[in-house]
Amino acid sequence: EIVLTQSPGTLSLSPGERATLSCRASQSVSSTYFAWYQQKPGQAPRLLIYAASDRVSGIPDRFSGSGSGTDFTLTISRLEPEDSAVYYCQQYGSSYTFGQGTKLDIK
Amino acid sequence: QVQLVESGGGLVKPGGSLRLSCAGSGFAFSDYYLSWIRQAPGKGLEWVSYISGSSTDTNYADSVKGRFTISRDNAKRSLHLQMNSLGAEDTAVYYCARGGTGIPGSQRYWGQGTLVTVSS
Repeated sequence: EIVLTQSPGTLSLSPGERATLSCRASQSVSSTYFAWYQQKPGQAPRLLIYAASDRVSGIPDRFSGSGSGTDFTLTISRLEPEDSAVYYCQQYGSSYTFGQGTKLDIK
Repeated sequence: QVQLVESGGGLVKPGGSLRLSCAGSGFAFSDYYLSWIRQAPGKGLEWVSYISGSSTDTNYADSVKGRFTISRDNAKRSLHLQMNSLGAEDTAVYYCARGGTGIPGSQRYWGQGTLVTVSS
């Protein structure tokens, strides 16, 4: 099973700043099969990025994904208060696994 | 628009069984992989199972293998999860989510979830 480890566990930033969220895989993952999700309290997760760097239609271009192999990054530029959420990475190349999540607080 | 609506959650005693359902609309139901993904209270996401559009490809997380069975009825546009031998560790919100065509894929669309509570 491919284990995904996200860092940091919690991130506290201010509006307008840039957030960098990391996800490391225990073995190489094809970038074709890597995604990022956003989840707000009481809501289902929302797909932001698929294939490591492709943004879902309707997702602001402040959200971008990058990476390959075992290291992937979600970058949120120009943070807004509504970006407060938990972010999960996911690989779907070998069954499915999710990272444990990064909580992003915008204050 | 794409909609996924789960039902069937509730309170069940340890060792008991429950059957979850998910009704899909707004897309070519039989073309897509579908998954069940769960989230224990205050915890992260855990993939449970997926099934291909034709039901020929299924897969389960080790934590539920042998206890849960995924199935679908394309004529009724419904997805099911039969859960047996339930334990406290199965307490979670269970989401139905749509994957890709031809491959399991990422989950672009999710239902609102149904809560399963295993407790005596």
